[in-house]
Amino acid sequence: NAGVTQTPKFQVLKTGQSMTLQCAQDMNHEYMSWYRQDPGMGLRLIHYSVGAGITDQGEVPNGYNVSRSTTEDFPLRLLSAAPSQTSVYFCASQTLGQYGYTFGSGTRLTVV
Amino acid sequence: QKEVEQDPGPLSVPEGAIVSLNCTYSNSAFQYFMWYRQYSRKGPELLMYTYSSGNKEDGRFTAQVDKSSKYISLFIRDSQPSDSATYLCAMTAFDNNNDMRFGAGTRLTVKP
Repeated sequence: NAGVTQTPKFQVLKTGQSMTLQCAQDMNHEYMSWYRQDPGMGLRLIHYSVGAGITDQGEVPNGYNVSRSTTEDFPLRLLSAAPSQTSVYFCASQTLGQYGYTFGSGTRLTVV
Repeated sequence: QKEVEQDPGPLSVPEGAIVSLNCTYSNSAFQYFMWYRQYSRKGPELLMYTYSSGNKEDGRFTAQVDKSSKYISLFIRDSQPSDSATYLCAMTAFDNNNDMRFGAGTRLTVKP
């Protein structure tokens, strides 16, 4: 049982480049979300999904897109990377009735 | 002012000590409270969950919520070097995670 799998673990981008952070879960969880973690800021919600075909914005959605075509996968797309998007990104999932998230191990992104 | 305030530490204690970790919050609507443990370069993992005010105990860990003071605590008894991690508090007004707010985390080191 792999839980929540994120790829890649590390990435360096140049300003203006685009990329997709991958997230997959094998627990059949309905709810998935993307957070970013910055020093002194705590985890902040970027986008979330309550099921396949349904997505919504969180606290800091600008510069990011998501889609949810299957229950298992929830990719996060950076449209045009900026240095302000340098962060650690976590994908998380939850099943209805469960308290708290199951987190992936994170993607460390640096934009230069 | 942040909705959730957490002293970042770092906090260093000797093995066997009792550790007290705390968060304050400003939103009186919060009623679901969680503590996550995050080891270096890993994703957060749910440690404790509490609904509304009161105490909850799980082994060496006790979570305490005082809604009247908007203050939550996590106590670790007989601390071990393996408890060395960053501890994040989190809270939400609803029984889903769309509106969850995280503290910035307290880094704890337990020295042998």
